Amino acid sequence: QKEVEQDPGPLSVPEGAIVSLNCTYSNSAFQYFMWYRQYSRKGPELLMYTYSSGNKEDGRFTAQVDKSSKYISLFIRDSQPSDSATYLCAMGGGSNYKLTFGKGTLLTVNP
Amino acid sequence: EAGVAQSPRYKIIEKRQSVAFWCNPISGHATLYWYQQILGQGPKLLIQFQNNGVVDDSQLPKDRFSAERLKGVDSTLKIQPAKLEDSAVYLCASTGGGGETQYFGPGTRLLVL
Repeated sequence: QKEVEQDPGPLSVPEGAIVSLNCTYSNSAFQYFMWYRQYSRKGPELLMYTYSSGNKEDGRFTAQVDKSSKYISLFIRDSQPSDSATYLCAMGGGSNYKLTFGKGTLLTVNP
Repeated sequence: EAGVAQSPRYKIIEKRQSVAFWCNPISGHATLYWYQQILGQGPKLLIQFQNNGVVDDSQLPKDRFSAERLKGVDSTLKIQPAKLEDSAVYLCASTGGGGETQYFGPGTRLLVL
């Protein structure tokens, strides 16, 4: 079993839809959880960062962590064509801040 | 604040040739990471530096890959000799003191023919 599992998609939605992206993990040592967005031919950029179970909201984006189920989600409300990108979940723990990434989900928002 | 800089952006070489990539992290960031991202995969950590010391190189194929960060600032990743399976994007990232947030550069896209 891989440490981090993420459905690679692709996922195609109409503009304005609510998007749900998910990852599961097996390593109980993970303490912090991140979502990165990666546009084509660019490096990943941090979108959301959570340190505990629960929800964190930032504009149209909500990150959700359920440590008991080892499951994290990213919700995008009112999705826009500019949200079209690959979304990578990442998680880490320990003093060296090493991150383990999912495979990424390719999202396309159609106008 | 300037971001993480990487060069070259693209490189095409033949198998068995050597290649080097350069990274300049965000000013003041002590920790530097090199990742390999194969098409359709998430980034995989190759090596992590704290200043000029290696923290983790457990996934670096040391028979062909090497990396250095001599003065604790910029870093070079080298592949010698390259194999077809080394075709990937090589990403550099850095973090500041006590921070888990990694800031990524644009990457170097390598194609080995």
